[in-house]
Amino acid sequence: AQKVTQAQTEISVVEKEDVTLDCVYETRDTTYYLFWYKQPPSGELVFLIRRNSFDEQNEISGRYSWNFQKSTSSFNFTITASQVVDSAVYFCALSEAGGFQKLVFGTGTRLLVSP
Amino acid sequence: DTGVSQNPRHKITKRGQNVTFRCDPISEHNRLYWYRQTLGQGPEFLTYFQNEAQLEKSRLLSDRFSAERPKGSFSTLEIQRTEQGDSAMYLCASRAGDIKGTTEAFFGQGTRLTVV
Repeated sequence: AQKVTQAQTEISVVEKEDVTLDCVYETRDTTYYLFWYKQPPSGELVFLIRRNSFDEQNEISGRYSWNFQKSTSSFNFTITASQVVDSAVYFCALSEAGGFQKLVFGTGTRLLVSP
Repeated sequence: DTGVSQNPRHKITKRGQNVTFRCDPISEHNRLYWYRQTLGQGPEFLTYFQNEAQLEKSRLLSDRFSAERPKGSFSTLEIQRTEQGDSAMYLCASRAGDIKGTTEAFFGQGTRLTVV
């Protein structure tokens, strides 16, 4: 069975601080996809990134970066120089590589960035 | 067409009533998913359509729940004889299918159901 654990329920930072959101996953599949989604107060889940299990190269997109480590089954997300607009709930998710690719989500981490 | 559209955005109903939600996916997305999200939790998978065929249903989808996608475009999710435990956000997502199946799912803003 697949499982995603986000141990951090809520994180509070002051604007311009760096923050890392942790994600640990479990799966028996050898190929799979990992995702991060952002859920602002409006409720819509906004796609941020997808990684393939066979590609462990870290990725940077502007102030966002992701660290994928297969050896520790982790896919952590770092926001550099956080901004108030980053305040949201962030979900890590996992899906099989084939089949229907339904997403298995963690419980989310609420990030509060204060000015 | 700028994204996945869900209606209504909010629904308050009395226990025992039936409710129906609608999801309009992104045009040409042949794969459609329904998820349910309760307060403080991540979304949980309910059901999956590929075109008009319902190919997978979660055990969460009791016999009071039914979903359809009659022409492979929009989808409806109906809950009969609602219970207070059905109160949640119901999210719809769509995805384009390709040979590699690597496209991401796009989500609507959800329908928040409150059963009183």
